[in-house]
Amino acid sequence: NAGVTQTPKFQVLKTGQSMTLQCAQDMNHEYMSWYRQDPGMGLRLIHYSVGAGITDQGEVPNGYNVSRSTTEDFPLRLLSAAPSQTSVYFCASSQRTGDGPQHFGDGTRLSIL
Amino acid sequence: SQKIEQNSEALNIQEGKTATLTCNYTNYSPAYLQWYRQDPGRGPVFLLLIRENEKEKRKERLKVTFDTTLKQSLFHITASQPADSATYLCARRFSGGYNKLIFGAGTRLAVHP
Repeated sequence: NAGVTQTPKFQVLKTGQSMTLQCAQDMNHEYMSWYRQDPGMGLRLIHYSVGAGITDQGEVPNGYNVSRSTTEDFPLRLLSAAPSQTSVYFCASSQRTGDGPQHFGDGTRLSIL
Repeated sequence: SQKIEQNSEALNIQEGKTATLTCNYTNYSPAYLQWYRQDPGRGPVFLLLIRENEKEKRKERLKVTFDTTLKQSLFHITASQPADSATYLCARRFSGGYNKLIFGAGTRLAVHP
């Protein structure tokens, strides 16, 4: 099993451009989430989904959109990139409830110029 | 608001010694705390979970404690090795039923030969 796969690994954008960060998992997990990680601030939750067709906002949702059309995929969209969105983005999946661990991808390193 | 605080200063220790990392939380005690390891350029990897009603949990050279009076969890690595060098993250669940986690900023551990 591949676990959680994120693409691309690196990306440089210009301010105002749009892009989609891809995330796929093969563990049949209902719960998927997106975090951003900035120096000294830890992982902050952007959006999450508890199943296909169901999404909700996390701590820092502004500037990001998500959708969940299948159990496996949970893409994150930046509609108009801003320098403040320069960060490392991690996707994670887990069981929907309970205390199961989060399984993380290896991240997408995004720079906005 | 719910917060997780970890010592932001790096911890430097000699090989063979015990490393002790601290995680403090605010407000009510979470049902559980989780600990993760993160290597440079990689996503976090789950290590251990300790529940509110458990004082201590062990896994090989790792030990985690949970003190609801002090609102604190301690993470110990005994007989530390250079391969243990990494950033260690503590996480608690957001309020509500889903497996949403709040992460601390992490503590970087460096084990020197």
